[in-house]
Amino acid sequence: DVKVTQSSRYLVKRTGEKVFLECVQDMDHENMFWYRQDPGLGLRLIYFSYDVKMKEKGDIPEGYSVSREKKERFSLILESASTNQTSMYLCASRQGNNQPQHFGDGTRLSIL
Amino acid sequence: SQKIEQNSEALNIQEGKTATLTCNYTNYSPAYLQWYRQDPGRGPVFLLLIRENEKEKRKERLKVTFDTTLKQSLFHITASQPADSATYLCALDVKFYFGSGTKLNVKP
Repeated sequence: DVKVTQSSRYLVKRTGEKVFLECVQDMDHENMFWYRQDPGLGLRLIYFSYDVKMKEKGDIPEGYSVSREKKERFSLILESASTNQTSMYLCASRQGNNQPQHFGDGTRLSIL
Repeated sequence: SQKIEQNSEALNIQEGKTATLTCNYTNYSPAYLQWYRQDPGRGPVFLLLIRENEKEKRKERLKVTFDTTLKQSLFHITASQPADSATYLCALDVKFYFGSGTKLNVKP
């Protein structure tokens, strides 16, 4: 089975801090994704990556950046955390087009 | 503008009945649509994918239909069980849009 592992289940940070969320997948998948999930809004795509060192903006990239230096790892960076970035963050991977996404169990991030 | 709509109200049904969840979308013509299940505190888990040229897809007690004219997909769980209680999300292939999900409660 595909395993997508997110480094933390819960994280509390302060406003203005630089925050790193890490995601690792073990199935050599080409594509990786970062979403945030908020009540009533569903999953919203922040960034995705088709391949190593490649990234594309999703619907809500403002305030975030990403890094994909190795195929198995996709990092989400909050450059200067703000309270409106308090959310559940979900990472996913997939082999390619027309393939299902495999999700991690999420990181619940609180910005105080 | 809302791109994918799922009923935000929870669906409560009795064990053994068929649950039907609705996914409506606007503005796009997706090549395929997916359904996921999400349990509290967990990430979504893929269930089924249906392509635009497929009217219906089945997997065990699950059935999905896809009406590209109505821009609607229906997700059915037959002989529902309490273990089917979860939130079900639909997703378009277009820009990776997900609906906000419908919570299903199956009562024994």
